[in-house]
Amino acid sequence: DADVTQTPRNRITKTGKRIMLECSQTKGHDRMYWYRQDPGLGLRLIYYSFDVKDINKGEISDGYSVSRQAQAKFSLSLESAIPNQTALYFCATSTDYEQYFGPGTRLTVT
Amino acid sequence: AQSVTQLGSHVSVSEGALVLLRCNYSSSVPPYLFWYVQYPNQGLQLLLKYTSAATLVKGINGFEAEFKKSETSFHLTKPSAHMSDAAEYFCAVRASSNTGKLIFGQGTTLQVKP
Repeated sequence: DADVTQTPRNRITKTGKRIMLECSQTKGHDRMYWYRQDPGLGLRLIYYSFDVKDINKGEISDGYSVSRQAQAKFSLSLESAIPNQTALYFCATSTDYEQYFGPGTRLTVT
Repeated sequence: AQSVTQLGSHVSVSEGALVLLRCNYSSSVPPYLFWYVQYPNQGLQLLLKYTSAATLVKGINGFEAEFKKSETSFHLTKPSAHMSDAAEYFCAVRASSNTGKLIFGQGTTLQVKP
């Protein structure tokens, strides 16, 4: 089984809808991250968390919120989706020296 | 602040030719550097990492990278390209804080021609 899983893997939604992307990990890491990938821009950090009570904004947090339900679960929400949030979203966990990525969620906002 | 620049958004090589993907970084502290590969419709897989040990780092699938402090570079190489190497490659630097977060370059798409 994969160490970092993301659901759904693909989602098409309409402008203004609320959507949640979920991430679970079995690696036992405290640190978890949400990134978005856009062509030509690489990956950019949205939010990160060190534990259930420690959540921090990344460089592009506007329009997003997160919830750390447990050490193993970290969810990303788009409260009111807009087309420029169409992207590939990755969850990751890390040790001090290495990050482990999930398979990604491809989100399309129409 | 840290930053990463990957020179060339697309690189095309013939099968069997040398692969060279360029990465330059900026960091105010000794950097930890990474190369990740993303195959089509997949997540990111770590190829190799530099964490202040040997400057020549060997990774998976025959890739290696050399840390050159004087040039602030961490270029990725492979002596002989295979068709299966076609993918997108990302260079990243770990942010100087203790957050563990990564700063990524823009990515380089490697095309391998038969």
